Amino acid sequence: AQSVTQLGSHVSVSEGALVLLRCNYSSSVPPYLFWYVQYPNQGLQLLLKYTTGATLVKGINGFEAEFKKSETSFHLTKPSAHMSDAAEYFCAVSEGAAGNKLTFGGGTRVLVKP
Amino acid sequence: GAGVSQSPSNKVTEKGKDVELRCDPISGHTALYWYRQSLGQGLEFLIYFQGNSAPDKSGLPSDRFSAERTGGSVSTLTIQRTQQEDSAVYLCASSPALNRGRVDEKLFFGSGTQLSVL
Repeated sequence: AQSVTQLGSHVSVSEGALVLLRCNYSSSVPPYLFWYVQYPNQGLQLLLKYTTGATLVKGINGFEAEFKKSETSFHLTKPSAHMSDAAEYFCAVSEGAAGNKLTFGGGTRVLVKP
Repeated sequence: GAGVSQSPSNKVTEKGKDVELRCDPISGHTALYWYRQSLGQGLEFLIYFQGNSAPDKSGLPSDRFSAERTGGSVSTLTIQRTQQEDSAVYLCASSPALNRGRVDEKLFFGSGTQLSVL
């Protein structure tokens, strides 16, 4: 069984400030980890993913996330927020090599203040 | 088509009625998923089809929910005797196969069907 917890359903950041979205997971097998983004009135799209190898992964639009096995975390960051980053962000986990079903967290809605 | 297509985009129904939601995945994608997104909630997994394998139905919330995928392409999610708590956005996603029988975890999502049960 696997689960994902996203701390904070809403996050407000100022334009130019650091964006930090927290994600913790549980998995009985080595996980694959993902961040998806849902912009207003659009479908979900993949932001970045970790499968194997380098634990710091870079995605689109300047986002990156680091897999920390000891902390069972996969937090998403962006050094400088832009107004266009306002969206809902979902962390997800799959069973890695054991399977493909993705389990999503509850989502974090990001508001960017000018 | 270019992306995952879902129909209808909106469905309003009365409590107790049956509804069918349709998903046309991207051509050639072997995996198809149904998720449910309720107001203020995350994405709840419902069911997963992969090629000719038996579907993973572990997320279906009750026996009123069922889904099928005909010919490895189009899928229909059926909800019988709808209840108000079934109101949500139902999302379909597909993904292509990789080698060694695996499926790419990069899911391509449709725009969803907004279901409102009155």
